[in-house]
Amino acid sequence: DTEVTQTPKHLVMGMTNKKSLKCEQHMGHRAMYWYKQKAKKPPELMFVYSYEKLSINESVPSRFSPECPNSSLLNLHLHALQPEDSALYLCASSQERGQETQYFGPGTRLLVL
Amino acid sequence: AQKVTQAQTEISVVEKEDVTLDCVYETRDTTYYLFWYKQPPSGELVFLIRRNSFDEQNEISGRYSWNFQKSTSSFNFTITASQVVDSAVYFCALSERAAAGNKLTFGGGTRVLVKP
Repeated sequence: DTEVTQTPKHLVMGMTNKKSLKCEQHMGHRAMYWYKQKAKKPPELMFVYSYEKLSINESVPSRFSPECPNSSLLNLHLHALQPEDSALYLCASSQERGQETQYFGPGTRLLVL
Repeated sequence: AQKVTQAQTEISVVEKEDVTLDCVYETRDTTYYLFWYKQPPSGELVFLIRRNSFDEQNEISGRYSWNFQKSTSSFNFTITASQVVDSAVYFCALSERAAAGNKLTFGGGTRVLVKP
């Protein structure tokens, strides 16, 4: 089973709202990732969690706040976003050894008004 | 710094034609991994293949085949007898072992449109 699930599928929010994106995997992976993908562009790495600890933050603005409550779950808390933050947000997971394959979820399409 | 280049931004073919996607990469690592992902209109990135830098054996899986040539830093992908369901954006990616965690460097993607 190589399934990563993400909720919600679509999200529309105002610039003053607070919302959260959720990601879940049950493959026993110990590394989880958040990516942002703008239209017609490749995914861009935002955060990496390794063994539930934040290991990489690609200089992401503080209005994006990741959280890893346990080894299966990854959240992305959103607050005071800007319209330019509208994008597809993808979650991925992988084994935490070597350069293992990252398996991606279906993504959340976010629109900030 | 690592870099992946997919020179073809869009390829349009008629069903049953073969299509080859080019990927050229740059890295200073001696051990690295290369990947191909498919992204259909639904948005999910679907893993297709992973190759490590020591394995230059080409691979065929059904209608898909891959040609890895370390001497030219290329990892090309061919779809044989294309079908409409193959219409998607295809990304080539290079894995970098960062201080903590794995980082994927993606190419710009090639959009493949297969017409019936």
